[in-house]
Amino acid sequence: KAGVTQTPRYLIKTRGQQVTLSCSPISGHRSVSWYQQTPGQGLQFLFEYFSETQRNKGNFPGRFSGRQFSNSRSEMNVSTLELGDSALYLCASSSQGDTEAFFGQGTRLTVV
Amino acid sequence: KNEVEQSPQNLTAQEGEFITINCSYSVGISALHWLQQHPGGGIVSLFMLSSGKKKHGRLIATINIQEKHSSLHITASHPRDSAVYICAVPGGNQFYFGTGTSLTVIP
Repeated sequence: KAGVTQTPRYLIKTRGQQVTLSCSPISGHRSVSWYQQTPGQGLQFLFEYFSETQRNKGNFPGRFSGRQFSNSRSEMNVSTLELGDSALYLCASSSQGDTEAFFGQGTRLTVV
Repeated sequence: KNEVEQSPQNLTAQEGEFITINCSYSVGISALHWLQQHPGGGIVSLFMLSSGKKKHGRLIATINIQEKHSSLHITASHPRDSAVYICAVPGGNQFYFGTGTSLTVIP
């Protein structure tokens, strides 16, 4: 059984650019949630999608957005990148959102 | 109010020592996860457990659902175990994470 796949693993972007990160969940899982980990900070909840609908959203500015496709793959987008957006972005997939879940390895974004 | 509390925050051990990291949570859960993160690295899932105990090599994870407490043990610790260990619990369509325990194992 393939694990949760996040692409790319590493990314360097310039301030003001936008970026799109991808998360492919475990086959059959319909819930994908996203988290941000900045240096020295814990993992903060961004949003959660279930069957293409955003069910829950954390306290982040509107520059952070996401979507989920019919095959459950999810993308998150950050527009007008700021230096403070440099972080590890982690996704998790589960069948219902609070049951058995699996984590990706994360995408490390550096904004210069 | 933190849904997940981890202790200790930092831990230094000599190689070969037995390590225990604790995690207490306040939400009702179906399963708890232990994650490992090496400096500058990504996240690696170590365990997902909903009851009792699981063992993988030198790592042992236990959970007491009634007391809402889990422990991660490392036997015969090794410098390559140096990493941040994070517990995560699900709740309300998201995960809540502990702040992590930074472990350094000295040769």
